[in-house]
Amino acid sequence: EAGVVQSPRYKIIEKKQPVAFWCNPISGHNTLYWYLQNLGQGPELLIRYENEEAVDDSQLPKDRFSAERLKGVDSTLKIQPAELGDSAVYLCASSPLTSRFLDEQFFGPGTRLTVL
Amino acid sequence: AQTVTQSQPEMSVQEAETVTLSCTYDTSESDYYLFWYKQPPSRQMILVIRQEAYKQQNATENRFSVNFQKAAKSFSLKISDSQLGDAAMYFCAFLGSGSARQLTFGSGTQLTVLP
Repeated sequence: EAGVVQSPRYKIIEKKQPVAFWCNPISGHNTLYWYLQNLGQGPELLIRYENEEAVDDSQLPKDRFSAERLKGVDSTLKIQPAELGDSAVYLCASSPLTSRFLDEQFFGPGTRLTVL
Repeated sequence: AQTVTQSQPEMSVQEAETVTLSCTYDTSESDYYLFWYKQPPSRQMILVIRQEAYKQQNATENRFSVNFQKAAKSFSLKISDSQLGDAAMYFCAFLGSGSARQLTFGSGTQLTVLP
């Protein structure tokens, strides 16, 4: 079974440019997460989707960040315009939706963004 | 809000020896899970072990075991017979029943395994 797929693995852009990251979750996983991981830190949740609905986007900086999961499968996270402080790893994870609140999250390899 | 603290930014262990990574957390919830994730240089987060708060028995997965002290809000990871492949960043994480499935991670411990 294929794991969570993310692309690109690396991205280098100039500040003020737009950038987009793509994530394809594990087949059948209803819940998708985007995390931000700064260097030397643990991941922090940006947004969580259940199917195509964003059920928790309270930590997404909505002035420059946006995300979509139109058909409830793959997802795109966009930054426009990028700032120097956005340099980080962006992780995607997915989990099956169960009745219990524990849904084991499976992570992708992440996209390392460098903003120059 | 929950907080997870890992007070050891770096640890090292000799191959075949045992090492313990520390984690403390703070929460007012009574129903929750605790996790240890491993993140090698490839950046892929891999679940190592999880503990359900309502279970008194400490979780064990092969060479990995935890010491869960609920009253002290402590959750340490013991790696026995350390192998070179265990070298990675280890993150402690918390998931509460009231957290809307939001994992809260600690800042990580970088483990080096010396040959």
